[in-house]
Amino acid sequence: NAGVMQNPRHLVRRRGQEARLRCSPMKGHSHVYWYRQLPEEGLKFMVYLQKENIIDESGMPKERFSAEFPKEGPSILRIQQVVRGDSAAYFCASSPDRDILGNTIYFGEGSWLTVV
Amino acid sequence: QKEVEQDPGPLSVPEGAIVSLNCTYSNSAFQYFMWYRQYSRKGPELLMYTYSSGNKEDGRFTAQVDKSSKYISLFIRDSQPSDSATYLCAITKAAGNKLTFGGGTRVLVKP
Repeated sequence: NAGVMQNPRHLVRRRGQEARLRCSPMKGHSHVYWYRQLPEEGLKFMVYLQKENIIDESGMPKERFSAEFPKEGPSILRIQQVVRGDSAAYFCASSPDRDILGNTIYFGEGSWLTVV
Repeated sequence: QKEVEQDPGPLSVPEGAIVSLNCTYSNSAFQYFMWYRQYSRKGPELLMYTYSSGNKEDGRFTAQVDKSSKYISLFIRDSQPSDSATYLCAITKAAGNKLTFGGGTRVLVKP
């Protein structure tokens, strides 16, 4: 049973370029979350999505960042016109639709974005 | 005041010792509590999950929750060098909600 799959694992972008990070949730999971981890800081919530719906985007920067989780295919976190401050590890997590145990959320290995 | 406070460490212990980690939180609305382990350049790995006050044991790990004091703990018995990692507490108000993380405690178990 494959875990949460993220790609690319490492991405280097020049300032002003676009970064696209992809996440495939665990099999049977329909809830996807994106978190960001800045150097020497904890994980910060960005956005929570279900298929074709954004449920909570309270942690997303107001500009340049967007996320989607289409009916088919992986979830995408898109960062337009990247700046050096966007350099961070971006983690995707997923949870099942009906989790009788409560709220078990599993993380992927992360996508490490470096802006040069 | 942060919603979740966690001592950043580092916490250095000899192999075989008990590792004691804790977090405090400010909002009594939080109902679910988790501990994650994160190795360098890796994703967080879920270790323990609980939603009630009391103790929960899984192998060498024991999670403890005291909702009245808004205090959660993780104990690692018979610590091994492979336990050297950053440990993150995470809390949430309800199933399906976003997680609020502590800053993480870096643990080093010396052989």
